[in-house]
Amino acid sequence: EIVMTQSPATLSVSPGERATLSCRASQSVSSKLAWYQQKPGQAPRLLIYGASTRATGIPARFSGSGSGTEFTLTISSLQSEDFAVYYCQQYNNWPPWTFGQGTKVEIK
Amino acid sequence: EVQLVESGGGLVQPGGSLRLSCAASGFTFSSYWMHWVRQAPGKGLVWVSHVNTDGSSTTYADSVKGRFTISRDNAKNTLYLQMNSLRAEDTAVYFCAGGGPGACFNYWGQGALVTVSS
Repeated sequence: EIVMTQSPATLSVSPGERATLSCRASQSVSSKLAWYQQKPGQAPRLLIYGASTRATGIPARFSGSGSGTEFTLTISSLQSEDFAVYYCQQYNNWPPWTFGQGTKVEIK
Repeated sequence: EVQLVESGGGLVQPGGSLRLSCAASGFTFSSYWMHWVRQAPGKGLVWVSHVNTDGSSTTYADSVKGRFTISRDNAKNTLYLQMNSLRAEDTAVYFCAGGGPGACFNYWGQGALVTVSS
């Protein structure tokens, strides 16, 4: 099973600032890496797939990069609606499809 | 508009059974692999099970193998999860999700809460 590790667990950022979230896989997942956003009481929403492709309707301030075992999600200028928990997920080796433990982006 | 609507959650005693349903609309249900993902209170996302497009292939997380059964009815655009021998550690919100073959999860339902407690 591929283990996904996200850092940091919590990121405190001021509105308008840049946020950088990291995700590491225990073995290569090529570019089969997705990022999801989840707000309290809501379902996760797909943000990024293929490590760097934005899903339909996702604003350009969200960008993803990386391949192999190291990945990054960057939010270029945080808006109030971006404060949430973000999860990475690998879909290269399944089952199981595995998620990271999440990074909470909170208001500084 | 894509919609996935779960139902069937509730309170059940340890050792009991429950069946979740997920009604799909707004996309070609029969073309998508479907999954169940759960989230224990205050915890992260954990994949539970998947079924391929025609229901002929299924996989399960080790934690539920032999106790849970996933199935689908493409004529009714509905996904199911039969959960037997429930344990306290199965307490979670259960989300249904859909994606391409072997891909990530494009569509998610709003979740159904399952509480296993005496």
